[in-house]
Amino acid sequence: DAKTTQPPSMDCAEGRAANLPCNHSTISGNEYVYWYRQIHSQGPQYIIHGLKNNETNEMASLIITEDRKSSTLILPHATLRDTAVYYCIVLNAGNMLTFGGGTRLMVKP
Amino acid sequence: GAVVSQHPSRVICKSGTSVKIECRSLDFQATTMFWYRQFPKKSLMLMATSNEGSKATYEQGVEKDKFLINHASLTLSTLTVTSAHPEDSSFYICSASDSPNYEQYFGPGTRLTVT
Repeated sequence: DAKTTQPPSMDCAEGRAANLPCNHSTISGNEYVYWYRQIHSQGPQYIIHGLKNNETNEMASLIITEDRKSSTLILPHATLRDTAVYYCIVLNAGNMLTFGGGTRLMVKP
Repeated sequence: GAVVSQHPSRVICKSGTSVKIECRSLDFQATTMFWYRQFPKKSLMLMATSNEGSKATYEQGVEKDKFLINHASLTLSTLTVTSAHPEDSSFYICSASDSPNYEQYFGPGTRLTVT
């Protein structure tokens, strides 16, 4: 699986958009970008995934660059409950999820 | 969305005893279940993958005789930590997937403390 690089931590003001970047410069054509988050002492929660096109669901939006070498997860209106570690994972069909260090997002009032 | 439960959520046991952790998919059939371990302030590390009715596939460095995994049905997988020692104290998390959908749905985790 392609390796991902994320900033170790980010702060965001409550009510503002949180933009979490992820670099995956070695991604191959059939690898998906997945995002999960883990709130303290809980299991990871699936957020969103995509291949080429931008995706949006009730939780977030995923913007993937045209060359697919990076992506951004957008939480449009961050709340205090969005404070968590966010993991960007690239995987091929049939491969296992490999969790990196993730980005620790702190939403502040 | 799909729900995965784990039991117990928290367990304390004495060194040398065995502990069983259950992972259940409540509203879907999980052909594949995964077991992870997470130490404090660290990321999740995959321990093993199990498919219903088959032997589990363990990651390198994970002792299969110490961490017994049984995936007897499409909704239940169990992880038994045998002869537990204090260094086995960790947060154990399972996830389940209904192939060919590769989204994994995670359980809430089980915190094991071995004294």
